[in-house]
Amino acid sequence: GIQVEQSPPDLILQEGANSTLRCNFSDSVNNLQWFHQNPWGQLINLFYIPSGTKQNGRLSATTVATERYSLLYISSSQTTDSGVYFCAPIHTGNQFYFGTGTSLTVIP
Amino acid sequence: GAVVSQHPSWVICKSGTSVKIECRSLDFQATTMFWYRQFPKQSLMLMATSNEGSKATYEQGVEKDKFLINHASLTLSTLTVTSAHPEDSSFYICSLDLNYGYTFGSGTRLTVV
Repeated sequence: GIQVEQSPPDLILQEGANSTLRCNFSDSVNNLQWFHQNPWGQLINLFYIPSGTKQNGRLSATTVATERYSLLYISSSQTTDSGVYFCAPIHTGNQFYFGTGTSLTVIP
Repeated sequence: GAVVSQHPSWVICKSGTSVKIECRSLDFQATTMFWYRQFPKQSLMLMATSNEGSKATYEQGVEKDKFLINHASLTLSTLTVTSAHPEDSSFYICSLDLNYGYTFGSGTRLTVV
């Protein structure tokens, strides 16, 4: 199956700082989603982004499918942003595979 | 958006017993649901694709006789962990394909003692 790598694996930020999370994938994809998993395990869909750029408040995402990567930008980070961020490309069919995740800790 | 209800949120069972986890779509008719497993500090791994009215499709390495999946209606899929052992302790999550994206249940934390 498709290989998905995310970087960095761990990230600690001071509240208010900005960050960029990266997702590289090994094959062409039909679609891609970014998720936030909170400390209680709940997965929250952030973006459904096969290509281009989308923004939602302090978060934005860019996918460059031809170069096989996607980026998630977090601006003015808050403690509630803490958790694990996963990207999940859809390679074939309608199933997708999660990346390795970036564990984010925002400290006050 | 569509709401997915997963039950129970957590369960502790004795080794050798079976546990059933339910995933309900409250306002969306889901012909396809997905079951994932997540071990501590690891990513989510797709276990199987649940298809309404037909057999589930299992990922390589997932024992279909151990993880029984039933998708008898458009709003309910169940995962039964049979003869559970401590190594089956994990976080199990279901998801729905909404055609414009995916939504997830709140997960079930299974502990086998």
